[in-house]
Amino acid sequence: SFELTQPPSVSVSPGQTANIPCSGDQLGNKYVSWYQQRPGQSPVVVIYEDTKRPSGIPDRFSGSNSENTATLTISGTQALDEADYYCQAWDSNNVVLGGGTKVTVL
Amino acid sequence: QVQLVQSGAEVTKPGASVKLSCKTSGYTFTYYAITWLRQAPGQGLEWLGWISADKGNTRYAQKVQDRVILTTDASTTTAFLELRSLRSDDTARYFCARITSDCSDDKCYSGARFDSWGQGTLLTVSS
Repeated sequence: SFELTQPPSVSVSPGQTANIPCSGDQLGNKYVSWYQQRPGQSPVVVIYEDTKRPSGIPDRFSGSNSENTATLTISGTQALDEADYYCQAWDSNNVVLGGGTKVTVL
Repeated sequence: QVQLVQSGAEVTKPGASVKLSCKTSGYTFTYYAITWLRQAPGQGLEWLGWISADKGNTRYAQKVQDRVILTTDASTTTAFLELRSLRSDDTARYFCARITSDCSDDKCYSGARFDSWGQGTLLTVSS
C-alpha cells in the first residue's frame, strides 16, 4: 500500500530555513497538502496542490514536489512556527498521511 | 464563515458503541464531503474515512472499516461518526474536516484538501 514517510523531528534556528521532507513512491505524480498543528489545536492547511498557499498563510511557507519527495519549506522561521507538520496525499480515493514532523525552533 | 462544531467529550467502556457529531454551517452542505481523523495521545493523525454529503457514498480506512459507520443529515447539516466494539486503543481525539471536493461517484478530486476542521472530540475508552 502507498505510504508517506516523514522524519520525526527537525530543528531550526530563528530566522533560518526549515525543510521538511515527505517521501513516497512516485509522490511527484500526486498532489500533496501540508498541515500545521500547534499543541492543543486542530490542524490547519498551509500548502495544497504541492505549492499553493491558502489565504492567510504567510509567504514564508512554500512547497515543492518532485519524483519521490515533497518538501515543505519555512523561510525565516519564527517561534510561532514551532508545531507538528503532516503531509497528505490521495491514493485511489483513500487519504494517506505522513507520520508527522515536529519542528523545534531553537 | 465556515464552521464545524463537534460534540462534547465522551467516556465509555470497552465493547460499547459511540456516535460523534459534527455540526456544519456557513456553506452549502452537499457541495463538500466530510472526512474523519483521530489522534491518540502523543501520536500522529490517523485517517478513518470520508463521506459524500451529496450522495452519501463512503470510503473507510482498512483498520476500522468493520467497526465504523459514517452518516450525514442534510436537514441539520450534520455529519456523524459511529464506532462500535470500542477498545482502549480507540482512546483519541476525533476530528471532522471539510474536504474541498464533493467526492460524488466515489471519487475525490486528487488535489482536495481539508480546509476547515472541527475542534475535536475527546473519546476515552476505559473500564
